[in-house]
Amino acid sequence: QLQLQESGPGLVKPSETLSLTCSVSGASISSSSYYWGWIRQPPGKGLEWIGSIYYSGSTYYNPSLESRVTISVDTSQKQFSLNLNSVTAADTAVYYCARQKGGYVVMLAAIIRGPYDMDVWGQGTTVTVSS
Amino acid sequence: QSVLTQPPSVSAAPGQKVTISCSGSNSNIGRNSACWYQQLPGTAPKALIYDNNKRPSGIPDRFSGSKSGTSATLGITGLQTGDEADYYCGTWDSSLSAWVFGGGTKLTVL
Repeated sequence: QLQLQESGPGLVKPSETLSLTCSVSGASISSSSYYWGWIRQPPGKGLEWIGSIYYSGSTYYNPSLESRVTISVDTSQKQFSLNLNSVTAADTAVYYCARQKGGYVVMLAAIIRGPYDMDVWGQGTTVTVSS
Repeated sequence: QSVLTQPPSVSAAPGQKVTISCSGSNSNIGRNSACWYQQLPGTAPKALIYDNNKRPSGIPDRFSGSKSGTSATLGITGLQTGDEADYYCGTWDSSLSAWVFGGGTKLTVL
């Protein structure tokens, strides 16, 4: 049974880089059918998709965060990671990793195969940005 | 402000039926399939409906989904107190080139 587990510092200082890792167990991270994504939820608010990665390394970012986000994958370690730089208090949130099914989406006016709905989620990890 | 609009809250009595709407546009629900997630208090979201109306394995048939034009709807019948949760719709937005979620709807089972 697929399980996802987020890990990383729970406290990050303003202007620094938030770094989280998601460990995948019970399924192959190199499956051609799936993508691996990050979603966050500020306290008391809704969900926001941050970005996703395919096992080959292809990345898909939310344009609203793209300038600050890097997602990478290490298939040998069955992990994928999130780096979010120049953080502020507005980046305080519960961060979830999730498996996403593949689907055909329009990205920058081109139809591509990319990340679609999330079918399995990690339990989430709380990250607070504060000095 | 979410691209997908959901009512902030809905309520109904145990055993009754409730529907939750998700209103979008031609760039999201109008051209892409919708899905729904359930988030019980203090837990991670869980997939309820995908491809507008399909249920993942293990999701009871009390939960149903539909789509018409630029709106999607989640239906829950035979309400139980354990259904009290936040419910989110989601889909791809082709104009934003991003996955988007609705603002969430809090279901109270009175």
